[in-house]
Amino acid sequence: AQSVTQPDIHITVSEGASLELRCNYSYGATPYLFWYVQSPGQGLQLLLKYFSGDTLVQGIKGFEAEFKRSQSSFNLRKPSVHWSDAAEYFCAVVGGGDDKIIFGKGTRLHILP
Amino acid sequence: DGGITQSPKYLFRKEGQNVTLSCEQNLNHDAMYWYRQDPGQGLRLIYYSQIVNDFQKGDIAEGYSVSREKKESFPLTVTSAQKNPTAFYLCASSVFGAGGVNEQYFGPGTRLTVT
Repeated sequence: AQSVTQPDIHITVSEGASLELRCNYSYGATPYLFWYVQSPGQGLQLLLKYFSGDTLVQGIKGFEAEFKRSQSSFNLRKPSVHWSDAAEYFCAVVGGGDDKIIFGKGTRLHILP
Repeated sequence: DGGITQSPKYLFRKEGQNVTLSCEQNLNHDAMYWYRQDPGQGLRLIYYSQIVNDFQKGDIAEGYSVSREKKESFPLTVTSAQKNPTAFYLCASSVFGAGGVNEQYFGPGTRLTVT
């Protein structure tokens, strides 16, 4: 069965520092992958998606993610975080039939001033 | 502006009462979804619908019911049979059947508290 693992429940970084959030997936074929962000008490917003082609994907708000098939990973990166990036981040993969999306359990990002 | 509307933002009910959460979209999307979110659990799929007058159970459908009488509307009823209804509920929609996989767009959510 398809699954998504986000190993880090919480991550704390200083403002201006670089960020990498980890995501590992389990899927037999070429995966369709997403990263979403959720501010407290809000819905989810799509940051970026990977369907095929270039393995380095650019998203909104200065985020990027790299698909590595050999490692079954789709890590999210940002070179310099801002206080407004504090939120919860979800990695997701299409699976389970009918184009349903399977979400990881999320990583909560904290920013130190 | 196109988007997904969920109302109300906060909802309080007494145990034993049914409650209906509203979800409306004006994106002309075919598919709609309901998720439940609990702390540390991620998102769990309750029901989804790919076309009007048709819907399928997700992973945690017990104690919930839905209808899809109109393309733009997908209300969720939390029944008294749901053992732990207090949660944050998210509605989403996506294009479906367009020859590719499409991302889901989310509403702002409804926080339901049952006491």
